[in-house]
Amino acid sequence: EAQVTQNPRYLITVTGKKLTVTCSQNMNHEYMSWYRQDPGLGLRQIYYSMNVEVTDKGDVPEGYKVSRKEKRNFPLILESPSPNQTSLYFCASSILSNSPLHFGNGTRLTVT
Amino acid sequence: GQQLNQSPQSMFIQEGEDVSMNCTSSSIFNTWLWYKQDPGEGPVLLIALYKAGELTSNGRLTAQFGITRKDSFLNISASIPSDVGIYFCGIQGAQKLVFGQGTRLTINP
Repeated sequence: EAQVTQNPRYLITVTGKKLTVTCSQNMNHEYMSWYRQDPGLGLRQIYYSMNVEVTDKGDVPEGYKVSRKEKRNFPLILESPSPNQTSLYFCASSILSNSPLHFGNGTRLTVT
Repeated sequence: GQQLNQSPQSMFIQEGEDVSMNCTSSSIFNTWLWYKQDPGEGPVLLIALYKAGELTSNGRLTAQFGITRKDSFLNISASIPSDVGIYFCGIQGAQKLVFGQGTRLTINP
């Protein structure tokens, strides 16, 4: 089944403790992206990747890092999480950057 | 960055009613997308629009790409309980998809 898989689905952590949210797609998509969803703000792009080893900042990149060493994986890294990064995170992929996105089921992160 | 204004932010309707929501942008775009997010899941693509003036249907859903290329609307006819969720419009740029703030639809049986 074609899908975007995120792990974990739920995560509670403390300020400053490094964490990684994994994302994997099995559709051989070139383009991958991370979004965060907050009430009243919709979905805002954090980082995106046009292809392997090519990543760039989205609209809200502060406090996040990403890597794209392989085509199928696009992990989101929070080196020192803070409470304002408490949010619902979505990974998405598409065939090309201008194609409709396929989303994962989300990771709900709480930073205390 | 690009900004989309989606309205209304929330709707409370009776089962069987029709629903209408819309999005406007400050710039011209060549692709408008409509997504639905069910509770606890990621957004799923409902309809993609690629041509100004285009009217596209998907079952009880109908969406139109405005002739000015700065707006789009989504209609749902004869709503049913499974239509509950958050609906997002999106505009496809060269490198990213920008979303509206979402319309939360609640249906009273």
